Amino acid sequence: AQSVTQLDSHVSVSEGTPVLLRCNYSSSYSPSLFWYVQHPNKGLQLLLKYTSAATLVKGINGFEAEFKKSETSFHLTKPSAHMSDAAEYFCVVSEGNFNKFYFGSGTKLNVKP
Amino acid sequence: GAVVSQHPSWVICKSGTSVKIECRSLDFQATTMFWYRQFPKKSLMLMATSNEGSKATYEQGVEKDKFLINHASLTLSTLTVTSAHPEDSSFYICTPILAGVLETQYFGPGTRLLVL
Repeated sequence: AQSVTQLDSHVSVSEGTPVLLRCNYSSSYSPSLFWYVQHPNKGLQLLLKYTSAATLVKGINGFEAEFKKSETSFHLTKPSAHMSDAAEYFCVVSEGNFNKFYFGSGTKLNVKP
Repeated sequence: GAVVSQHPSWVICKSGTSVKIECRSLDFQATTMFWYRQFPKKSLMLMATSNEGSKATYEQGVEKDKFLINHASLTLSTLTVTSAHPEDSSFYICTPILAGVLETQYFGPGTRLLVL
């Protein structure tokens, strides 16, 4: 069975400070992991994905995430937050070739000026 | 450009009516289509999986007679919410898949349904 836990429902940072959005997963097999962002009233946009290649994954807009199998984590980070980063972020796990996605509950990122 | 389109993007209807949502895969042939539902301020929930030319597989707790899914071609899948009620108000999102290819994981822009 697979599941995703996003530990923080809300994260608030100041512009220019680092961002850390936490995600832990459980999976019976080697998972593929993704981070998606959803801006208000917009569709989902893929930030980055891990599919058993390099454990440190770089995505768009300066985001990156590190797959840590021993900790079953896939935390999302960014060195310096921008106002435009304010959105909801979803951590997603997928197994096998069937491509079913299981979503975390989401983390709403607020960026203060 | 867009890889997936959904129509309509917004729909408001009266309770008891049926609403059809179309999802089109624009750049590739989707052998599989996932339909998700997102409640306000909540995460996405997988509703069903459809394979072209066969019956959809519904996730536990999803009423198949209420949410009719048709995947008649490799580029079009439809979700019909039958006899809609206010609790069906939600954001519905489709994801066409070329089976086994994770790179083709694109989410549609979503359809916002409001049932009065």
